[in-house]
Amino acid sequence: AQSVTQPDIHITVSEGASLELRCNYSYGATPYLFWYVQSPGQGLQLLLKYFSGDTLVQGIKGFEAEFKRSQSSFNLRKPSVHWSDAAEYFCAVVQGGSEKLVFGKGTKLTVNP
Amino acid sequence: DTEVTQTPKHLVMGMTNKKSLKCEQHMGHRAMYWYKQKAKKPPELMFVYSYEKLSINESVPSRFSPECPNSSLLNLHLHALQPEDSALYLCASSQPSGLYQYFGPGTRLTVT
Repeated sequence: AQSVTQPDIHITVSEGASLELRCNYSYGATPYLFWYVQSPGQGLQLLLKYFSGDTLVQGIKGFEAEFKRSQSSFNLRKPSVHWSDAAEYFCAVVQGGSEKLVFGKGTKLTVNP
Repeated sequence: DTEVTQTPKHLVMGMTNKKSLKCEQHMGHRAMYWYKQKAKKPPELMFVYSYEKLSINESVPSRFSPECPNSSLLNLHLHALQPEDSALYLCASSQPSGLYQYFGPGTRLTVT
């Protein structure tokens, strides 16, 4: 069965520092990959997605992610973090043709001033 | 309009009550989803409707009863819930491929 692993439960960075959140997937076929962000008590907002093509994808709010098939990874990056980026980040995968979105356990991001 | 709306935002109900959660979207999506999210956990899929027909039920207890009256509306009827059912209930919609799922803000449910 498909699965997603986010190795880091909690990450703390200083405002203005760079950020990388890790995501590894387990899949046989080409996966469709997503990063979602959730502020406390809120719904999920789609940051970016990868289906095929260019392995470096740009998203909203200055985020980007790189798909690396050889490492089964889809890490999220941001060059300079803002205090408003503090939230829970979920990596997710859906198998092509399926309606089932599988989430990782999430990474909580804390931003220090 | 890329918005999924959910009502109510908050709901407190007793274990003998009957209540309903409502979800609405006007993006022309033909798939709609209910997720349950406990604190500090990822969302867990409960139900999927595709073209107004139930396509996935993730072995959810019968005290949760979904309904899709039309392509824009999704309800979740609640009856005889348990305190452990307290959670954030999220609705999402997409085209039937499952891609581009848009989430609503959720209903915070507390069962007393």
